[in-house]
Formats: sequence, C-alpha cells, structure tokens
Amino acid sequence: EPEVTQTPSHQVTQMGQEVILRCVPISNHLYFYWYRQILGQKVEFLVSFYNNEISEKSEIFDDQFSVERPDGSNFTLKIRSTKLEDSAMYFCASSPPGLVAEKLFFGSGTQLSVL
Amino acid sequence: AQSVTQLDSQVPVFEEAPVELRCNYSSSVSVYLFWYVQYPNQGLQLLLKYLSGSTLVESINGFEAEFNKSQTSFHLRKPSVHISDTAEYFCAVSVFLQGGKLIFGQGTELSVKP
Repeated sequence: EPEVTQTPSHQVTQMGQEVILRCVPISNHLYFYWYRQILGQKVEFLVSFYNNEISEKSEIFDDQFSVERPDGSNFTLKIRSTKLEDSAMYFCASSPPGLVAEKLFFGSGTQLSVL
Repeated sequence: AQSVTQLDSQVPVFEEAPVELRCNYSSSVSVYLFWYVQYPNQGLQLLLKYLSGSTLVESINGFEAEFNKSQTSFHLRKPSVHISDTAEYFCAVSVFLQGGKLIFGQGTELSVKP
C-alpha cells in the first residue's frame, strides 16, 4: 500500500539553526500539507500546497517557514531560524484530487527537538 | 472558528470491554467529522468519517461513531476492544471538503490491557 514517507524520524538542532524536514508524498497525489503537534497539544494545520504554490496557511506559518516541492517527488518544510517553541512532531500529508479533506494520508512524522 | 475537544486524554480499558472516546466540536457552520488513529511509530490513518446521510458511521474494524448535531458530538465507540486497538485516537473537523485543513482535538490515548 502506498504511503507518505518522512525523513528523518527524529531531528535535533540548535536554536537559530535552519532545518529542513523532508517528505515523499504518494506519487499520484496533488495536494500536500504540513501539520504539527507540540507535545501535549493539538495537531495543528500549518500549510497546504497545490500546483506549486501555497493554497492556505495558518497564522503559525510565518516568514520563518517555507515549503517547496523541489523535484516533483519531495515536499519539504524549511524553518529558517529555529526557536525552542518549534519543537514538535511535524506531520506531512498528501491527498489525491477531489474532496481532499476526506482523503488525507499522513506520514509517521518527524520529531523536531530544538535545543 | 471551529474547535474540537476530546474530553479524555487517556482511556485505560481491559480487553473485550466496551469503550467510548468522546469528541465535541464547536462551529457556527456545518462541518464534516473524522476520526483518525495513530498506532505506535505510524502516521495518522483515517478510521471513519461523517460527511452526510446516516448519522451512524462504522469502520471496518468494529468502531462506530454517531454524529449528534444537537449535542455537537461525534463520540467513537467499540463494543469489545482488542489489545491491537491500543493507539492514539484523534477527532477532527473540516468545513470545506475541497481543502485539506482539518481542525484536530487533543487526542485520546486508548490503552487496552489484557
């Protein structure tokens, strides 16, 4: 069964450093998303991406964050200058065309620890 | 704005006992409702969904949830749980099926003991 793959599963970085989280969505999907979950809190929507541009973003997704689909298979989330409060589990998701909200497939997440 | 509240952060239960995981939502517009499950070291997987029609929806592994508009609830139930049901369960809503933005609850950790 096809799945969304995220690497690495756990990333540790120093505050102020740039970090890139990587995701390989399911191959025929066209919509891509990042969500995150801070420990003990809710899973939060960050951004959706379609046709090589952001279609929606939350207030969390400020100028420190960016997304990219660099090569037609990977989907990345970049945090330019990490803060302690960026420590969280980051989930990538993808969906095929249509009623996308009912067809989201999630990866197993990258646990980001900012020290 | 929409919000989702899962009233129990942890639910311990013995094998073969019934279980109910509670979910309430708040929204000024109609919503679509979902339950996702996350098994250890895996991603979130869709368990079941309510889009329209019958308010009682079922999953393939024996879970069911009932949409109650007056109570703004979408509680998840199973009459007899198995060890393999141990996982974290997330309730979520969406107001727009054409978009992928889901509003999640805090999650409920279901722990099934032998």
